[in-house]
Amino acid sequence: EIVMTQSPATLSVSPGERATLSCRASQSVSSNLAWYQQKPGQAPSLLIYGASTRATGIPARFSGSGSGTEFTLTISSLQSEDFAVYYCQQYYNWPQTFGQGTKVEIK
Amino acid sequence: EVQLLESGGGLVQPGGSLRLSCAASGFTFSSYAMSWVRQAPGKGLEWVSGISASGGSTYYADSVKGRFTISRDSSKNTLYLQMSSLRDEDTAVYYCAKAASRYYYDSWGQGTLVTVSS
Repeated sequence: EIVMTQSPATLSVSPGERATLSCRASQSVSSNLAWYQQKPGQAPSLLIYGASTRATGIPARFSGSGSGTEFTLTISSLQSEDFAVYYCQQYYNWPQTFGQGTKVEIK
Repeated sequence: EVQLLESGGGLVQPGGSLRLSCAASGFTFSSYAMSWVRQAPGKGLEWVSGISASGGSTYYADSVKGRFTISRDSSKNTLYLQMSSLRDEDTAVYYCAKAASRYYYDSWGQGTLVTVSS
């Protein structure tokens, strides 16, 4: 099983600032990496797939990068609606696995 | 608009069984793979099981293999998860999710809560 490790667990950021979230895979997943956002009491929603392709309707302030084992989600200028928990997911092989999540909170 | 509506959750005793359903609409159900993903209270996401568009291939997390069975009925546009030998650690909100071209998920249901407790 591929283990996905996200860091940090919690990120405190002021509105308008940049947030950088990391996700590391225990072995290469090529570019088979997705990012999701989850707000309290809601289902997750897709942000990024293929490591760097924004899903439909996702604002340009969200960007993804990386391949192999190291991945980054960057939110260029945090808006109030971006404070949430973010998960990475590898779909390179079975079983699929998620990271443990990074909570982005208001500083 | 894609809609996924889960049902069937509830309180069940350890060792018991439960069947979850996910009614799909707004897309050609038979063309897309589907999965179940769960989230224990206050915890992160855990992929549970997946099924190909045709239903011919199924996949399971080690934690549920041999106890859970995923299936789909394209005539009813419905995804199922049959859960048996339930354990306390199966307590979670269970989401059904529609896969995109690969097994990442572009649509999710609102979830159904399964509580395993005596």
